Amino acid sequence: DSGVTQTPKHLITATGQRVTLRCSPRSGDLSVYWYQQSLDQGLQFLIQYYNGEERAKGNILERFSAQQFPDLHSELNLSSLELGDSALYFCASSGRGSSYEQYFGPGTRLTVT
Amino acid sequence: GNSVTQMEGPVTLSEEAFLTINCTYTATGYPSLFWYVQYPGEGLQLLLKATKADDKGSNKGFEATYRKETTSFHLEKGSVQVSDSAVYFCALVAPWNTDKLIFGTGTRLQVFP
Repeated sequence: DSGVTQTPKHLITATGQRVTLRCSPRSGDLSVYWYQQSLDQGLQFLIQYYNGEERAKGNILERFSAQQFPDLHSELNLSSLELGDSALYFCASSGRGSSYEQYFGPGTRLTVT
Repeated sequence: GNSVTQMEGPVTLSEEAFLTINCTYTATGYPSLFWYVQYPGEGLQLLLKATKADDKGSNKGFEATYRKETTSFHLEKGSVQVSDSAVYFCALVAPWNTDKLIFGTGTRLQVFP
């Protein structure tokens, strides 16, 4: 168990809908990262937050947004969903002085029908 | 840009065989290097890491050495078990850029009794 939790585990929704994925980092970790894993794109970095502030952005679509709250949990919001958004979404966290180690949650499997 | 290249799988071995999974990287400067493992239906687990040239990361019988001269970080294990069957990802962090993980495509390992 990495100490990173994600909910829900599975999500099935229709095209055009909006969903929210939730992540709680390991206790004490200030950084949260979101990654997307799909068959055609592999593992892709989406976005990073550090102590409530956006730190880095990757290949994140404009339809997607994220935030990190004062209690350090994070949410990834996906809107106007398309079939191609079906993927596994992982959250990871890291702490200060961690030599850039990131610890991953179990993921949320999103299926868009 | 920064990237990671892994050997394609699947790699199929008998129990107690020797394992090598090749990984090479492209990065300016000195990235930190990682191996992550993903068991079926689970998230990614950090297997081992190395943060500077000639460092050897090791864990659970797996080893990898950071080779700057060949830009490689090959994963090895002397005697694999059926329980090692999983997908293995090589990854790097280029901390002068951001501390996002850049992953290879993953290599599936199948070990048979």
